[in-house]
Amino acid sequence: GQSLEQPSEVTAVEGAIVQINCTYQTSGFYGLSWYQQHDGGAPTFLSYNALDGLEETGRFSSFLSRSDSYGYLLLQELQMKDSASYFCAPLRANNLFFGTGTRLTVIP
Amino acid sequence: DVKVTQSSRYLVKRTGEKVFLECVQDMDHENMFWYRQDPGLGLRLIYFSYDVKMKEKGDIPEGYSVSREKKERFSLILESASTNQTSMYLCASSSGTGLGHQPQHFGDGTRLSIL
Repeated sequence: GQSLEQPSEVTAVEGAIVQINCTYQTSGFYGLSWYQQHDGGAPTFLSYNALDGLEETGRFSSFLSRSDSYGYLLLQELQMKDSASYFCAPLRANNLFFGTGTRLTVIP
Repeated sequence: DVKVTQSSRYLVKRTGEKVFLECVQDMDHENMFWYRQDPGLGLRLIYFSYDVKMKEKGDIPEGYSVSREKKERFSLILESASTNQTSMYLCASSSGTGLGHQPQHFGDGTRLSIL
């Protein structure tokens, strides 16, 4: 079967660091993507991990452990504009499997 | 910049109608996808296509069909609309063939209401 687990909601303070965890179970796993979606907007690509380890892109980092079927998205120096939903999405053979996402609220 | 355009932002139809949702991308992408997004259920893949006239079922294809006659256009068809198909529908495209990752670029979505 296929399953994804992410926290449904996270609240963090502006300027702080927040980590959004993702555990997954899919057939034919190739890597883990992360997407951001603001309310009323389209999902936009943030990062992709094909190999174990940490990938850094500016204030955002993403981590993958294939042996644990686990990944996380790390957001540093949080800004109010980071308030959005964040989706982890394992890559199957030629398509992504999205879950229900994590709603991040950044407070002053 | 990649542009994925969905024909309607809002659409209201009646049960039993045949409904067409259109999606066009301008970057010559091989892959196109249709998702629906519902509160508490996230994004779910309905159908995708990796080439003209090719289609693959996603996770929830029942009640839907698709058409890809041209590379830039991917249509989602609700054969006989039902109220449980009221949802936000998102189209996406990505480049590349075969295995491997390319980011998906999403349209702004069509909010479809079936009355």
